[in-house]
Amino acid sequence: GESVGLHLPTLSVQEGDNSIINCAYSNSASDYFIWYKQESGKGPQFIIDIRSNMDKRQGQRVTVLLNKTVKHLSLQIAATQPGDSAVYFCAENEGFQKLVFGTGTRLLVSP
Amino acid sequence: ETGVTQTPRHLVMGMTNKKSLKCEQHLGHNAMYWYKQSAKKPLELMFVYNFKEQTENNSVPSRFSPECPNSSHLFLHLHTLQPEDSALYLCASSQGGTQYFGPGTRLLVL
Repeated sequence: GESVGLHLPTLSVQEGDNSIINCAYSNSASDYFIWYKQESGKGPQFIIDIRSNMDKRQGQRVTVLLNKTVKHLSLQIAATQPGDSAVYFCAENEGFQKLVFGTGTRLLVSP
Repeated sequence: ETGVTQTPRHLVMGMTNKKSLKCEQHLGHNAMYWYKQSAKKPLELMFVYNFKEQTENNSVPSRFSPECPNSSHLFLHLHTLQPEDSALYLCASSQGGTQYFGPGTRLLVL
């Protein structure tokens, strides 16, 4: 079946560095993608989304890049802070109200 | 916070107990969802409700029984659960593509 996967389960960075979290998807018909952040003891929190007619979208300190040719999605976090430590999920819209989530990447930020 | 609340936040129950999880959204959304989140697994969609009508049941065992009395409230009734049902149960709501999640109920079945 279709799946959303993440390349790395854990990413460790130093405070102030830029972080890049990657995601591969396999459903070429997906037209909408979302990144979520989940901190310990909390539910997933929406970070940023992107539609398939775009290849880049920027938010506050975050940028999402979409490469439809290789079915790859990435989340870039600028000047990573300790508060960015969390698990990050990508999700693709597989159909009406049907999001498919990856297993997540844990981001660890050390001071 | 996201505008989606869940109670209780933590629940311990025996396999013969009956309990209910509650979710409320204050966002004016028309769709609500139940997800199960287990360790090292992707989020698993359980149920979807649109305007109080169930539109998705993702092959969930009958020991989980959802209820949606109105567009703002969603319940998950639990009975005769198994230890493997221990997980974080997340509620979400949406109006369109983006789903907004509550904090979850951490369930432990003994």
